[in-house]
Amino acid sequence: QVQLMQSGAEVKKTGASVRVSCRASGYTFTEYYIHWVRQAPGRGLEWLGWFNPKNSGSKFAQKFQGRVTMTRDMSVSTAYMELTSLRFDDTAVYYCARGGYYFDPWGQGTLVTVSP
Amino acid sequence: QSVLTQPPSLSAAPGQRVTISCSGSSSNIGNTYVSWYQQLPGGVPRLLIYDNDKRPSGTPARFSGSKSGTSATLGISGLQTGDEADYYCAAWDSRLSEVVFGGGTKLTVL
Repeated sequence: QVQLMQSGAEVKKTGASVRVSCRASGYTFTEYYIHWVRQAPGRGLEWLGWFNPKNSGSKFAQKFQGRVTMTRDMSVSTAYMELTSLRFDDTAVYYCARGGYYFDPWGQGTLVTVSP
Repeated sequence: QSVLTQPPSLSAAPGQRVTISCSGSSSNIGNTYVSWYQQLPGGVPRLLIYDNDKRPSGTPARFSGSKSGTSATLGISGLQTGDEADYYCAAWDSRLSEVVFGGGTKLTVL
């Protein structure tokens, strides 16, 4: 079955960077975009951007321009999202999701905690 | 402040029908497809409805979606206690060139 498996929880200091991985299985990795969505504690869903594994194209939400990078390693069908200059309010669960106009399935989520 | 507007909370009794609204504009709901997601307490979001009104396999027929103009609606009939969850709508916004989500609706089944 189609699955996205994400890397484990991270604890980072403010100003640091974090990289979250998302390993795809059960389908051809290059045939679908990967989206990244985050959810701060007790808050709603927030879209960070999409990544095209076929050609490494990407589009980021304006809010994250300049701070987010998305890459992939085709040899292991894995997409990566790196967020730099972390702030306290970047504390959230980060999800990857397969998609075009809708997201299905979602990874299990990666908790990123940013502390002073 | 979310680009798509949903009621923050709704409650209904088991067996009843409830509708969750999602209001947007001509740059998002008005000219593209809407999808809906269910997030059970402590869980991962799950696709419930895509392309305005289509159910993926695994979504019971009790769940329905519709769209009219710049608004979309998620309907849930025959409410069950297991339907208690947060529900989110989403769409592509052509003016922002971003995916936008509603703020989420917390559904309580009393």
